[in-house]
Amino acid sequence: GENVEQHPSTLSVQEGDSAVIKCTYSDSASNYFPWYKQELGKGPQLIIDIRSNVGEKKDQRIAVTLNKTAKHFSLHITETQPEDSAVYFCAASPSGYALNFGKGTSLLVTP
Amino acid sequence: DAGVIQSPRHEVTEMGQEVTLRCKPISGHDYLFWYRQTMMRGLELLIYFNNNVPIDDSGMPEDRFSAKMPNASFSTLKIQPSEPRDSAVYFCASTLQGGETQYFGPGTRLLVL
Repeated sequence: GENVEQHPSTLSVQEGDSAVIKCTYSDSASNYFPWYKQELGKGPQLIIDIRSNVGEKKDQRIAVTLNKTAKHFSLHITETQPEDSAVYFCAASPSGYALNFGKGTSLLVTP
Repeated sequence: DAGVIQSPRHEVTEMGQEVTLRCKPISGHDYLFWYRQTMMRGLELLIYFNNNVPIDDSGMPEDRFSAKMPNASFSTLKIQPSEPRDSAVYFCASTLQGGETQYFGPGTRLLVL
């Protein structure tokens, strides 16, 4: 089955700096790659996603890049703010329904 | 819309007891997912349904776990008998056919003593 590796497990940045989280996947059939943000005590919430026919997607301060050949994708957050502090999960899916999640990255943005 | 509703929010039980977790998906959504979250294993998909029919239950850890969806607005995840290693946060999520965003509930925090 699909195996998703996520790095780093923890990341601390200063407010205003950029944060980058990287994921690799193993199943070449995967074609859907969402990113979820989980705040303390809450369920994960989708923040951005990308399909395999697209190399990059941007939404305000958040961007995701995908390299299908190398089987890796990354989340970029620019101009980080304290409210960006949370746990971020990448996922990969061949169907768009059964999501295989990475282990998560705990991001801390310090003022 | 109220979003995905899960109950109870917290459950503490003793080893060997039966535990039933409940989920009400967002109205109109025809896919429902059950996930388990632990520090060691992260977020794992246990089972998902489409139009009340189980599609993939390969993530269900063992026969002690069972899930049902008797109608479009209700699902249960049952653990019988429960064991300490079942302690985790269990999430339910739902989405639309053709949609990709999964909407997660607030989770049920289960502690088995």
